[in-house]
Amino acid sequence: EAQVTQNPRYLITVTGKKLTVTCSQNMNHEYMSWYRQDPGLGLRQIYYSMNVEVTDKGDVPEGYKVSRKEKRNFPLILESPSPNQTSLYFCASSGTQYTEAFFGQGTRLTVV
Amino acid sequence: RKEVEQDPGPFNVPEGATVAFNCTYSNSASQSFFWYRQDCRKEPKLLMSVYSSGNEDGRFTAQLNRASQYISLLIRDSKLSDSATYLCVVALPHSGGGADGLTFGKGTHLIIQP
Repeated sequence: EAQVTQNPRYLITVTGKKLTVTCSQNMNHEYMSWYRQDPGLGLRQIYYSMNVEVTDKGDVPEGYKVSRKEKRNFPLILESPSPNQTSLYFCASSGTQYTEAFFGQGTRLTVV
Repeated sequence: RKEVEQDPGPFNVPEGATVAFNCTYSNSASQSFFWYRQDCRKEPKLLMSVYSSGNEDGRFTAQLNRASQYISLLIRDSKLSDSATYLCVVALPHSGGGADGLTFGKGTHLIIQP
């Protein structure tokens, strides 16, 4: 089954404690991206990757890092989380940046 | 300037009615267009792609008007299960900085009432 898998689904953490949200896709897609979704603001792109070892900033990259060492994986790293990073996060993958995106089930992050 | 705009609603519609909503986009060079559906706190899922010639999938019809830069979605014979948020999505060409690829509208919230 074609899918994008994110983990964890839910996470509560404290300010400053580094965390990683994993994302993996099994569709051999080249393009992957991370979004955060906040009430009234919609989905905003954090980072994207057009292929292995190629990543770039989206609209709201501050406070986040990503890596793309393998085609299937695109982890999101918060080196020092802050409460304003409390949000619902989605990973997505697609064949290109212009085609249908498949989303992971989301990670609900709370930073206290 | 908002690149993809939608009426947030909510649209409260009786079961069986026909409902339509539009979305406007600002970049005339936009390359592809989609409607996604998102249920509360779940991931967005593709409802349908939108083609220049228009397309229909069962009770759903999508239209694209490039001249006026808007996309529409029509739902006929609405069901309770159609209650969701509908996201208009436009693929924008990379323009030397900022986000590349899909840009999402903030969504239109639809509530079908029995």
